[in-house]
Amino acid sequence: EPEVTQTPSHQVTQMGQEVILRCVPISNHLYFYWYRQILGQKVEFLVSFYNNEISEKSEIFDDQFSVERPDGSNFTLKIRSTKLEDSAMYFCASSPTEMGETQYFGPGTRLLVL
Amino acid sequence: AQSVTQPDIHITVSEGASLELRCNYSYGATPYLFWYVQSPGQGLQLLLKYFSGDTLVQGIKGFEAEFKRSQSSFNLRKPSVHWSDAAEYFCAVGDSGNTPLVFGKGTRLSVIA
Repeated sequence: EPEVTQTPSHQVTQMGQEVILRCVPISNHLYFYWYRQILGQKVEFLVSFYNNEISEKSEIFDDQFSVERPDGSNFTLKIRSTKLEDSAMYFCASSPTEMGETQYFGPGTRLLVL
Repeated sequence: AQSVTQPDIHITVSEGASLELRCNYSYGATPYLFWYVQSPGQGLQLLLKYFSGDTLVQGIKGFEAEFKRSQSSFNLRKPSVHWSDAAEYFCAVGDSGNTPLVFGKGTRLSVIA
């Protein structure tokens, strides 16, 4: 069964450093998403991406965040200058375009900012 | 704004016992409702979804959920819990399958012998 994959599974970085989280969505899906879950809190939507552009973003997704689909398979989330409060589990998801379809989630990347 | 409440942070049940996890939502129109499960080290796996039609929906692993519009609820049930069901369960609501999902805080299920 096709799966969404994410790399790395864990990343530790110093405050102020840039990080790139990588995702490979399911191959025939056209919608892509990033969510995050700060420890002990809800899973929160960050951004959705369709047709090579951002379709929606939350207020969390400020100028320090960016997304890119650099090739036909990868979908990345970049955090330009990490803050302590960026420490969280980051989930990538993808979905087909058909109405009534659902989002399929990857296993997540746990980011720790020191 | 949409919101989802899962009132139970942690539930412990005995193996073989029945289970009901509660979910209440706040949404202005007919919602798309989902239950996801997260096992340790795993991603969010879809258990079941409700879009329209029959208000009792069946999912994977023997789970079912019932949509009750009058109570704004979408509770998850299983008649007989297995030890492998121990995990975190998340209820979510959205405008459709492709729009951003709003999640509850999750309910952690522990299963004892």
